[in-house]
Amino acid sequence: DSGVTQTPKHLITATGQRVTLRCSPRSGDLSVYWYQQSLDQGLQFLIQYYNGEERAKGNILERFSAQQFPDLHSELNLSSLELGDSALYFCASRPTDVAGGPKNEQFFGPGTRLTVL
Amino acid sequence: DQQVKQNSPSLSVQEGRISILNCDYTNSMFDYFLWYKKYPAEGPTFLISISSIKDKNEDGRFTVFLNKSAKHLSLHIVPSQPGDSAVYFCAASAFGETSGSRLTFGEGTQLTVNP
Repeated sequence: DSGVTQTPKHLITATGQRVTLRCSPRSGDLSVYWYQQSLDQGLQFLIQYYNGEERAKGNILERFSAQQFPDLHSELNLSSLELGDSALYFCASRPTDVAGGPKNEQFFGPGTRLTVL
Repeated sequence: DQQVKQNSPSLSVQEGRISILNCDYTNSMFDYFLWYKKYPAEGPTFLISISSIKDKNEDGRFTVFLNKSAKHLSLHIVPSQPGDSAVYFCAASAFGETSGSRLTFGEGTQLTVNP
């Protein structure tokens, strides 16, 4: 158990719909990352938040958005869903840098499997 | 542009022998490298990491080697156990203003350890 929780575990919806995926990072971790794993693309970085602020963006579609709340949980909103959005969506959190230099071990949640029909 | 590549989609070894998983990268800005293990229907599990200032890091049965000049890293598992059977992902990151600390992943290698 990584300490990162994600809900729901599975989500089945129709094209054109909107869904929200939720992530709670490990206790004390300020950084939250979202990744997408689809069959033909592997694990792709979508977006990063640090203490409520967007820090970096990857290959995230304009139909997708995210936010991190004051309690540090994060939500990924996917709208106008298409068949190609079917994938596993992972959230990860990263410990705050400690003495000895920055590290980048990210701890992943169990994922949300999104199926768009 | 695949910046991190794992050229072997699968690897099969006998229990007790050494497993060697390889990874190549192209982005010279990468300064931190990680290996993750993934079982079906679960999230990736962190295994071991290495900073670009080192060439080797060891943790129990797992050792990661980094060859910066060749832009190559490898994960050695000794001895291999059937429970090690999983998909192994290599990942890399480069700290920076725009890149943040995102991980760039390879495609993964399916390791099967036969009893």
